[in-house]
Amino acid sequence: EVQLVESGGGLVQPGGSLRLSCAASGFTFSDHDMDWVRQAPGKGLEWVGRARRKARSYKTEYAASVIGRFTVSRDDSKNSLYLQMNSLKTEDTAVYYCARDSGLYHTDYWGQGTLVTVSS
Amino acid sequence: QSALTQPPSASGSPGQSVTISCTGTSSDVGGYNYVSWYQQHPGKAPKVMIYEVSKRPSGVPDRFSGSKSGNTASLTVSGLQAEDEADYYCSSYGGSILWVFGTGTKVTVL
Repeated sequence: EVQLVESGGGLVQPGGSLRLSCAASGFTFSDHDMDWVRQAPGKGLEWVGRARRKARSYKTEYAASVIGRFTVSRDDSKNSLYLQMNSLKTEDTAVYYCARDSGLYHTDYWGQGTLVTVSS
Repeated sequence: QSALTQPPSASGSPGQSVTISCTGTSSDVGGYNYVSWYQQHPGKAPKVMIYEVSKRPSGVPDRFSGSKSGNTASLTVSGLQAEDEADYYCSSYGGSILWVFGTGTKVTVL
């Protein structure tokens, strides 16, 4: 059974940093590109970034709203995906989901999400 | 790149059909056949219902169907059931921007 479990969310002040983790199991993690998607309270989904697999040279890609502040990374030896968030703003407050790319231009599995609150 | 445009709400009685539109541009919806639809119940993670415009993942009822014309994609839910009440989001591959989501539609079963 595919499982994605996010952790690391919490309350942080504006300008602060936070690192989210996503532990994957039930599939060959190294075979898949992985995404972070967020959802602000009461709002819609927003793609944040992607960590491509080894076959795609571990390339990372980002939404314009987080370029220069967020870094997506992965550790295939630990079946884990990470999101390092720096210079956080109040508008970054959201539930952050880890999601698996199916290889067919859509995400087919999602974690339960972890809440990040940026507030003073 | 802006979010894809969806109607805020849609509704229908049990057994009826409801269709949700998703309008983008030639840089996303109109440029690729990589539109997917996600269902999200309150407090839950999204679940893919349609991918590549009209394909259904295993386990998704055939009451759910997708189509596309030009820059607008559509999701139709036929034979509405109470459990179909949820938020629905479209998503499209956007080339350099990679992925863009729709604004979301709340479907109510009357």
